[in-house]
Amino acid sequence: EIVLTQSPGTLSLSPGERATLSCRASQSVSSSYLAWYQQKPGQAPRLLIYGASSRATGIPDRFSGSGSGTDFTLTISRLEPEDFAVYYCQQYGSSPQITFGPGTKVDIK
Amino acid sequence: QLQLQESGPGLVKPSETLSLTCTVSGGSISSSSYYWGWIRQPPGKGLEWIGSIYYSGSTYYNPSLKSRVTISVDTSKNQFSLKLSSVTAADTAVYYCARQTPHDYIFDYWGQGTLVTVSS
Repeated sequence: EIVLTQSPGTLSLSPGERATLSCRASQSVSSSYLAWYQQKPGQAPRLLIYGASSRATGIPDRFSGSGSGTDFTLTISRLEPEDFAVYYCQQYGSSPQITFGPGTKVDIK
Repeated sequence: QLQLQESGPGLVKPSETLSLTCTVSGGSISSSSYYWGWIRQPPGKGLEWIGSIYYSGSTYYNPSLKSRVTISVDTSKNQFSLKLSSVTAADTAVYYCARQTPHDYIFDYWGQGTLVTVSS
């Protein structure tokens, strides 16, 4: 089973600042199978990024994804008030098996 | 616009079977090559994939839950269902159903989620 680790656990930033979130896998993950989701309190997760770097429909271009192998990054270039939420990475691997990271909470400083 | 809606009992007794149904509207569950999945989230914790089903009925499950999980599909009702047997308090969670894309296995449409509490 591929284990995903996300860091930091919590990121305290101000609106307008840049957020950099990390997702590290215990084994190499195909870039095609790495995604990021945003979840706000009381809501279902929302797909942000798939294929490590492709934005889902309707996602603003301040969100970008990058990385390969075992290290992936979600960047929010300038935080808007609605971006304060929890972010999860997700991978699909052989077996087949799907796993999520533990999440990074982005809160207001 | 595709919509998914979970339904089922909000309270289940320990050792019993949790049963949930996801009703899909705004599209046919069998008209496209998508998988349909279940994901859960214990209160205050992260997401855990439970399993997924193709409209034809082929399934794959999280190995950690496989012995207790059954996912089925009813194309005539545009629904798919989850059964989780021998539940304990550790199975208390918000359960989500979601559409899963066939090529990159991501979840692009989600239901709102339903809280299931396991308690006597």
